[in-house]
Amino acid sequence: DTGVSQNPRHKITKRGQNVTFRCDPISEHNRLYWYRQTLGQGPEFLTYFQNEAQLEKSRLLSDRFSAERPKGSFSTLEIQRTEQGDSAMYLCASSLGTTDTGELFFGEGSRLTVL
Amino acid sequence: GQNIDQPTEMTATEGAIVQINCTYQTSGFNGLFWYQQHAGEAPTFLSYNVLDGLEEKGRFSSFLSRSKGYSYLLLKELQMKDSASYLCAVWDSNYQLIWGAGTKLIIKP
Repeated sequence: DTGVSQNPRHKITKRGQNVTFRCDPISEHNRLYWYRQTLGQGPEFLTYFQNEAQLEKSRLLSDRFSAERPKGSFSTLEIQRTEQGDSAMYLCASSLGTTDTGELFFGEGSRLTVL
Repeated sequence: GQNIDQPTEMTATEGAIVQINCTYQTSGFNGLFWYQQHAGEAPTFLSYNVLDGLEEKGRFSSFLSRSKGYSYLLLKELQMKDSASYLCAVWDSNYQLIWGAGTKLIIKP
């Protein structure tokens, strides 16, 4: 499978716990994006990487959220001290990055439920 | 502020044609996407418009008018599998991808 893969697909956790999601983009893609999506809404931008550099981070993202892409390949998104409002689908997408307006390819998402 | 408006829900009949509209007010414009998203799944790319006019791709077509801040997605010969949400998204002048909330399309036999 050469698409974008994310894991875990589902995560149920108790409030206050930390969770980490992993995204493996399409191998030749330079850009990697994290989005959050709740029911009936479009994806909400969280952050994006150009290779290993984190170039943009949403102002809506609290300090409890951190993302890394250490070698410009896979990326992790960590949420510390989870809150019930963090329950959502976390989507990763990648693009070739040769232009700023390239098509985004999405992974299947990681669904987080905070109890 | 930046805003993308789409109808929340539409219903159509199998075999028919449906048009899903999208209007946008963004700080700049660098292209518009349409994505399809089935329930519980990730969005998948349908079309990309950066110039005015109609782009046709099989049963799906997408139209853009930059002067009006308007796009539509036209689906022909509707099939039951077309039941999904359709998301409109715009690249703004800062190359941020601004997303609409999506239009849930219900296909009836």
